[in-house]
Formats: sequence, structure tokens, C-alpha cells
Amino acid sequence: ILNVEQSPQSLHVQEGDSTNFTCSFPSSNFYALHWYRWETAKSPEALFVMTLNGDEKKKGRISATLNTKEGYSYLYIKGSQPEDSATYLCASPGGSQGNLIFGKGTKLSVKP
Amino acid sequence: NAGVTQTPKFQVLKTGQSMTLQCAQDMNHEYMSWYRQDPGMGLRLIHYSVGAGITDQGEVPNGYNVSRSTTEDFPLRLLSAAPSQTSVYFCASSYRGGFAFFGQGTRLTVV
Repeated sequence: ILNVEQSPQSLHVQEGDSTNFTCSFPSSNFYALHWYRWETAKSPEALFVMTLNGDEKKKGRISATLNTKEGYSYLYIKGSQPEDSATYLCASPGGSQGNLIFGKGTKLSVKP
Repeated sequence: NAGVTQTPKFQVLKTGQSMTLQCAQDMNHEYMSWYRQDPGMGLRLIHYSVGAGITDQGEVPNGYNVSRSTTEDFPLRLLSAAPSQTSVYFCASSYRGGFAFFGQGTRLTVV
């Protein structure tokens, strides 16, 4: 079972701040890297799936980058809003079989 | 669109009881998985399936059984519930290489 790690565990920012967090994964036998947003009392929802080294994806104020050679991905949030408060999860398939292994997540709290 | 449907949403069991958590998807996804969520642990993979008739163990399979007789359904069975199985359980499905779609979750308490 591959090891997916996220940092920091939690983050508190003020409204309007930009922030970023990290996902680390084994660079060998890489298949894909997923990012999900998980609000309290809801189910995780997909943000991005990235497969190629150097991939950059953007969805509104949220963007992500991927470095498969060194085994990390960054998620950026520009101008954080209180509604961005959630846990952000990254995941990678264990091999090509699609059994997603998740990191423990970064819990973001945005204060008005 | 129903997506991924999990039942029940809440359940309380006594130690030693058995039960089945149901999961159904109507998107014709090949892959289905079961996760448990515990405080500070994120989502941990219990079992997964890459197609009808094919299942495999994840990170924390002990105490759980699964089967995949159809593409749509992937039930999770607890044969003899233990307090350590108190958790929130999520079922998910996806195409190979695609996003995972999650059910609403089942909050299970074993007393």
C-alpha cells in the first residue's frame, strides 16, 4: 500500500489570504494524483485529476500543480473565502487498478 | 441522477451482531471501493473491486467482507461487529482513471 502524505495537517487563515498545501507520494510507478474537497457532514467532491509531470489545473480560485519526478503536488487557493473552509484530500491509485489511497488531509479554516 | 447510494445512513449495533452496508451506483463504473473515516486518520481503504466478480483488500480489511456480483452493487459485511468498527463508512465508484464519486456515508456505532 503506497504512502500518501499531506501537510500541514491544519491551516487557519484570514479571509483574502492566499494559501497552499502539499501532497507527497511515491514517484515510482506513478499513475495519477487526485485532489478532493470535503466539507463537514458532506461527502468528498473531486477537484482535479492530474496525470502528467508539470500538469497545472485551475478551477476558479483553486489551482494545483504536479511534479511526478520528485513526488509532490501543490494545491493553491487565491484570496481565501470562508466558504473555502473544508478538508482538502489528495489521493493516488495503488498501481493502475484505481484503488485510491488517500492522505490524511489538510483542514483549512478561513476566518471572516 | 442517483449516483452512489448508500444505506443505511445511521446504524447502532451491539458487539457481535452482523450487518450489511449497501452501496449501489447507476453510472456503470468499473471500480467500487469502501472507506472508513476516523478522526485524524482521513479515509482508509477497506476493500475495493475493479469489476464484477473481482475484489481485493485495502489498507484495513480485517473484520469486513465484500462481494461484487453485479456492476451496480458492492455490499460491505460486518460478520461480528466490534467497538473498533465504530466509524463513518463511505462507498465510492469511478471509471478507471476518473474521479471517485462518493455516497452520503453511513455512521455506524457499535456498543
